[in-house]
Amino acid sequence: SQQGEEDPQALSIQEGENATMNCSYKTSINNLQWYRQNSGRGLVHLILIRSNEREKHSGRLRVTLDTSKKSSSLLITASRAADTASYFCATDLVIAAGNKLTFGGGTRVLVKP
Amino acid sequence: EAGVVQSPRYKIIEKKQPVAFWCNPISGHNTLYWYRQNLGQGPELLIRYENEEAVDDSQLPKDRFSAERLKGVDSTLKIQPAELGDSAVYLCASSFWKQGVGTSGEKVYEQFFGPGTRLTVL
Repeated sequence: SQQGEEDPQALSIQEGENATMNCSYKTSINNLQWYRQNSGRGLVHLILIRSNEREKHSGRLRVTLDTSKKSSSLLITASRAADTASYFCATDLVIAAGNKLTFGGGTRVLVKP
Repeated sequence: EAGVVQSPRYKIIEKKQPVAFWCNPISGHNTLYWYRQNLGQGPELLIRYENEEAVDDSQLPKDRFSAERLKGVDSTLKIQPAELGDSAVYLCASSFWKQGVGTSGEKVYEQFFGPGTRLTVL
């Protein structure tokens, strides 16, 4: 079952604009991760935010987390055509012998040149 | 460093036929995951291994799916017999998990994914 729900399901923007996508989840988490998936390829880890953090930056990426609202957002600034991909949030629960990721349905982002 | 390797990349079979997928994780990674990704959705975990032990197979449909990781390195996921609803992309991922690491180090939590096997059941 999918833990997170992402909004919007699809997003189309012009190169240079910012892209914002949101993720809501239902249960307690240890961390929340964001992954990117280019067409026909596997997922690539983008950024992790811990449950005790509110905001995190990595290059052109900015992630926020509000555990009281059980929601997270991913902002991509100054988007490029190469940012065209599907973006997934994944709730991260640390359990015995590893961690368990539960993915949302994803946001499909199209960046037009 | 080589990434997670999966084969085949594509497989087309008729329903009721068996099919197998192979995964070779990143060298040194002790934890291996199989996910299924339906079209337009996020991946869903099927089974998780720590070394050769399946530590979470609660979402694996055991009537037709089986998996093994005999030497704690590469792994095989099998479906027998396949059904139309099994059409999906099967993703393998690996990570390095060390007992007692706790909350230090993001890399402990990152999973590395292979390109997947796209299965079409006709």
